[in-house]
Amino acid sequence: QLQLQESGPGLVKPSETLSLTCTVSGGSISSSSYYWGWIRQPPGKGLEWIGSIYYSGSTYYNPSLKSRVTISVDTSKNQFSLKLSSVTAADTAVYYCARHVPPGIAVLWGQGTLVTVSS
Amino acid sequence: DIVMTQSPDSLAVSLGERATINCKSSQSVLYSSNNKNYLAWYQQKPGQPPKLLIYWASTRESGVPDRFSGSGSGTDFTLTISSLQAEDVAVYYCQQYYSTPRGYTFGQGTKLEIK
Repeated sequence: QLQLQESGPGLVKPSETLSLTCTVSGGSISSSSYYWGWIRQPPGKGLEWIGSIYYSGSTYYNPSLKSRVTISVDTSKNQFSLKLSSVTAADTAVYYCARHVPPGIAVLWGQGTLVTVSS
Repeated sequence: DIVMTQSPDSLAVSLGERATINCKSSQSVLYSSNNKNYLAWYQQKPGQPPKLLIYWASTRESGVPDRFSGSGSGTDFTLTISSLQAEDVAVYYCQQYYSTPRGYTFGQGTKLEIK
């Protein structure tokens, strides 16, 4: 059974770069049937799509975050990653990784990881 | 951007009664080429990630109880729980994927509680 697990620092200082990794277990990240994305949820608030990466390597980002976001994939480790630069307190959120079935249905989510931006 | 607006923001329904949540998109999410509505519904229980319930506006995900149903087309959609169970207490979100792959947006969520 395929599972996703986020990992990374739970505390990041303002102006620094948030880095998270999603490890895919029970299946291959290289499948052309799916693509992989990041979604976040500030405490007590709703869901915001951050970006996605296709099996082809193509990436798509939320326009509001595009200048600060990089999503990449490491097929040798069956992982994909998120980097968000120049963070502020507004970036404090639970970050979820997810597997999408085209054209954008999030069929499987990781458990999420809380990242707090604070000095 | 397509803006998704849900109503109500919160809802209290008695056990066994019907619960109805609405979702409105700022533009149509119906693709004329395949006549499909690019709209999904998710359920999020406290401390858990969202779970897919419905996609293509009305197709139930495998394993989802048949008391959950989705309807609507174009810009107006509804999630209905025909007979509310205690385990249905959650926040429900609609999501459009019409903007694929350049953007997906969610509604603000509707909190469903037991009356």
